[in-house]
Amino acid sequence: GENVEQHPSTLSVQEGDSAVIKCTYSDSASNYFPWYKQELGKRPQLIIDIRSNVGEKKDQRIAVTLNKTAKHFSLHITETQPEDSAVYFCAASDNQGGKLIFGQGTELSVKP
Amino acid sequence: NAGVTQTPKFQVLKTGQSMTLQCAQDMNHNSMYWYRQDPGMGLRLIYYSASEGTTDKGEVPNGYNVSRLNKREFSLRLESAAPSQTSVYFCASRPTGPAGELFFGEGSRLTVL
Repeated sequence: GENVEQHPSTLSVQEGDSAVIKCTYSDSASNYFPWYKQELGKRPQLIIDIRSNVGEKKDQRIAVTLNKTAKHFSLHITETQPEDSAVYFCAASDNQGGKLIFGQGTELSVKP
Repeated sequence: NAGVTQTPKFQVLKTGQSMTLQCAQDMNHNSMYWYRQDPGMGLRLIYYSASEGTTDKGEVPNGYNVSRLNKREFSLRLESAAPSQTSVYFCASRPTGPAGELFFGEGSRLTVL
């Protein structure tokens, strides 16, 4: 079955710096790769996603890149702000509503 | 439009007791999921249901059973609770097809003594 590895587990950056979180997946049939943000005590919420027919997607300060050959995808956050502090999860799935597997999470801390 | 609603929000059980976590969604989604979240372990899939009438095991199904009662409802049952099942449980749902965003409930915090 699908296995998703996420690194690093913790990341601390200064406000204004960039942050990069990387994930690898094992199932070559996966074609949908979302990223979720979870603030303390809250439910996870989708921040960006990418499908396998796209190599890169941007939404303001966040971007995701996908390398299907290498089976890895990354989240890039530029100009980080204290409110970006949260736990971020990557995930992989088919896009037919089947199994969706998450990585272990990255706790991002943005210091003012 | 309430989204995904799960109950109860908090529950304390003794080892060996049973309980059912209830989940309902009003977004007409085909797929529903149960995850557990433990510190440092991320979100681990317990069971999922890709459509009404079907259920499949996820990564950590042992000790749990599920029922997809209808398109709206997906329940998770612990038949004989163990301390290792102390966790936060999230129900989630998403539509079939390219727009596959997963919507989560608020979570249920379960403690097994």
